[in-house]
Amino acid sequence: SAVISQKPSRDICQRGTSLTIQCQVDSQVTMMFWYRQQPGQSLTLIATANQGSEATYESGFVIDKFPISRPNLTFSTLTVSNMSPEDSSIYLCSASGDEQYFGPGTRLTVT
Amino acid sequence: GENVEQHPSTLSVQEGDSAVIKCTYSDSASNYFPWYKQELGKRPQLIIDIRSNVGEKKDQRIAVTLNKTAKHFSLHITETQPEDSAVYFCAASIKWELSFGAGTTVTVRA
Repeated sequence: SAVISQKPSRDICQRGTSLTIQCQVDSQVTMMFWYRQQPGQSLTLIATANQGSEATYESGFVIDKFPISRPNLTFSTLTVSNMSPEDSSIYLCSASGDEQYFGPGTRLTVT
Repeated sequence: GENVEQHPSTLSVQEGDSAVIKCTYSDSASNYFPWYKQELGKRPQLIIDIRSNVGEKKDQRIAVTLNKTAKHFSLHITETQPEDSAVYFCAASIKWELSFGAGTTVTVRA
């Protein structure tokens, strides 16, 4: 299975600022995704990070709020822009080959 | 989009007993059904999965069954142990974008 790391593991940010989360996979993977998991809740897909093209966003998520980059087959970033307390959550990246594995998550608190 | 319902939301079992979690999905085109275990503060961990061309799959104490006609799939854990205590999520997908159930908190009583 792929080994996935994320940076930072956690952060506390001021309202109105932006945070970029990095996701690194130890091998080339076809698909990478970003999910959000609010405390005590399930996982919700934000977007598919497409290599070499714009990300594909799920209903309720927009590029201006969650810009995503995927410059190669092992790396992706998610930016949470103009943050508000409602953005406080855990953000997880995942990678798919035959199976889908998750990174350790980034715990974001917005004050 | 795909809608996945999961039941029960909480499950308490005596150590050694079996646990069963059930999920239903809405989109008949879904063809991949993984199950994840998430311990507190940890990432979701893939424990077993099944594809639509298979009706049942087993891995030691864990088994998953799929009924495509009824659009439901289930996770069975036998001989439960305290380390099985966690939140379990089912998911469904057509390609690779996973739609998750709400989760089941399993507590194994010693």
